[in-house]
Amino acid sequence: GAGVSQSPSNKVTEKGKDVELRCDPISGHTALYWYRQSLGQGLEFLIYFQGNSAPDKSGLPSDRFSAERTGGSVSTLTIQRTQQEDSAVYLCASSLAGRYGYTFGSGTRLTVV
Amino acid sequence: SQQGEEDPQALSIQEGENATMNCSYKTSINNLQWYRQNSGRGLVHLILIRSNEREKHSGRLRVTLDTSKKSSSLLITASRAADTASYFCATDGGNTPLVFGKGTRLSVIA
Repeated sequence: GAGVSQSPSNKVTEKGKDVELRCDPISGHTALYWYRQSLGQGLEFLIYFQGNSAPDKSGLPSDRFSAERTGGSVSTLTIQRTQQEDSAVYLCASSLAGRYGYTFGSGTRLTVV
Repeated sequence: SQQGEEDPQALSIQEGENATMNCSYKTSINNLQWYRQNSGRGLVHLILIRSNEREKHSGRLRVTLDTSKKSSSLLITASRAADTASYFCATDGGNTPLVFGKGTRLSVIA
């Protein structure tokens, strides 16, 4: 597609449930990033995929968070046993070779109740 | 940890005025980038300035970079109501993800 696509746009889930967030990057972009943003805050890095290299998971806040990227394209961020503090906008971005500006999706607003 | 720190946190100006936002960072960089965010959703890439560049222009945007002071500024000239948004600087240290600041919230009043 022409841009980075994220789904769902909004997700409300009950505390303790698992959620999956999806990101479709721009075709041909080798680098894919997940960030999250709490209300009125900056972006917090979560995880980074670059080509076939092992992902950089250094930003994941706990072992409840995991992500995978299949076939070098679509990525899924999974949050297990969600907590209220997981409520945020989860943003995905992709870039060409990881050395240029990022193209962001519109994000998934996750609300844990 | 956040590398870039924008200043001011919030800025309110009249349409037609210029808006200046500043960004300071702590470690060496390959490049510095500015992004705009409307309504708390996806960010839009505005401009990238490399560490060996001192100034860059794109339309009504002017970015400066002073690596000796580890600072950058974003100037928006002749602002419009549509420029109302949050603006973030982000630093690229090499083969690592961009590190974003907390942003400046700009309000342009018509």
